[in-house]
Amino acid sequence: EVQLVQSGAEVKKPGESLRISCKGSGYSFTSYWISWVRQMPGKGLEWMGRIDPSDSYTNYSPSFQGHVTISADKSISTAYLQWSSLKASDTAMYYCARHGSGSFGYWGQGTLVTVSS
Amino acid sequence: QSVLTQPPSASGTPGQRVTISCSGSSSNIGSNTVNWYQQLPGTAPKLLIYSNNQRPSGVPDRFSGSKSGTSASLAISGLQSEDEADYYCAAWDDSLNALYVFGTGTKVTVL
Repeated sequence: EVQLVQSGAEVKKPGESLRISCKGSGYSFTSYWISWVRQMPGKGLEWMGRIDPSDSYTNYSPSFQGHVTISADKSISTAYLQWSSLKASDTAMYYCARHGSGSFGYWGQGTLVTVSS
Repeated sequence: QSVLTQPPSASGTPGQRVTISCSGSSSNIGSNTVNWYQQLPGTAPKLLIYSNNQRPSGVPDRFSGSKSGTSASLAISGLQSEDEADYYCAAWDDSLNALYVFGTGTKVTVL
């Protein structure tokens, strides 16, 4: 069974750094891209960027380029989303999703990030 | 911000047919396939339709998708109470370095 399991909810202060994770299982982790999707409170879905776990090639939405970093460790089948300096506006639910047939057929359960002083 | 436009809401009574439109452009819907996602309250999105009109295993055939030119639509026939959710269209966009774009989302209410 394909599963994407994300790390737990985080509460951080503005300016702090953070890395959240997404562990894949039940499939060959290096065979499928992973994307990250943001959903701000009460808002819609926004694609942030994606990574090819086989070689860590990434591409980002212009809206998120330079604000976050997507990475992966194929040895432990885990993708990451990280911030070096969080802002209150980063408060949101973040989902990872696995690519396939041009769509996202499998999703993680989501990680809620709250940034507040 | 979203580049695919959907109506903010749609509604129907149980058993009715509801359709949701999704309007894009030549760089996204016009040149790539469309996917639809269902997001039930408090849960992660779920793939409902891929490649314009294909249903993943387990998705009821009450859900159907179509595409024409730079627009697409999702139809829900025989509306049920459990269909009350947010629905998003999505497609790859070729305009800038292969982006994935979501629609603005449509809240479906079962009256």
